[in-house]
Amino acid sequence: GEDVEQSLFLSVREGDSSVINCTYTDSSSTYLYWYKQEPGAGLQLLTYIFSNMDMKQDQRLTVLLNKKDKHLSLRIADTQTGDSAIYFCAEFSGGYNKLIFGAGTRLAVHP
Amino acid sequence: SAVISQKPSRDICQRGTSLTIQCQVDSQVTMMFWYRQQPGQSLTLIATANQGSEATYESGFVIDKFPISRPNLTFSTLTVSNMSPEDSSIYLCSVEGQGGTEAFFGQGTRLTVV
Repeated sequence: GEDVEQSLFLSVREGDSSVINCTYTDSSSTYLYWYKQEPGAGLQLLTYIFSNMDMKQDQRLTVLLNKKDKHLSLRIADTQTGDSAIYFCAEFSGGYNKLIFGAGTRLAVHP
Repeated sequence: SAVISQKPSRDICQRGTSLTIQCQVDSQVTMMFWYRQQPGQSLTLIATANQGSEATYESGFVIDKFPISRPNLTFSTLTVSNMSPEDSSIYLCSVEGQGGTEAFFGQGTRLTVV
């Protein structure tokens, strides 16, 4: 089956950049997504990238996609305590016609 | 973006009972999705609900356990039937954006079965 993998935990200092990595297996993925989940809340769509793009920037967020290696990353510049949350990578699998989520990366921001 | 409201936001239920979760969207959407997020885990798609047809269930999920209604283009319900503690999860409703590229989620229903 299709698989999306993420590291489970990342700790950064406030003001530093955070980089959350994700790998996926479905070469027919058309869109890849990053979601943020704060404690007790649903999923907030942060950004997404089309599979024919290499990079997308949106304010403090930069998404890089290496389609050859099936590697996706989310960079958060000037990380703040409010960025502490779980970040989910997801691919829209063309083969399965549905979103497939990674296990989520818990980002902890400390002073 | 779509605004999605789910009710209830949380509930504690006795085993053997059923709970119906409601999902209301502020715009008409063709497809609505129901996900389960077990404690400390990622999201798993339960089923896809199209208006006017029966829901399509993913492997491992059956209609008798998770009946779904989709009476119109802005509303859906998911029922968790004959609950056991293993059903304790967050259940999330999701819809596609207008362009079909985005997927938006409700705030989820946190279910605890005791």
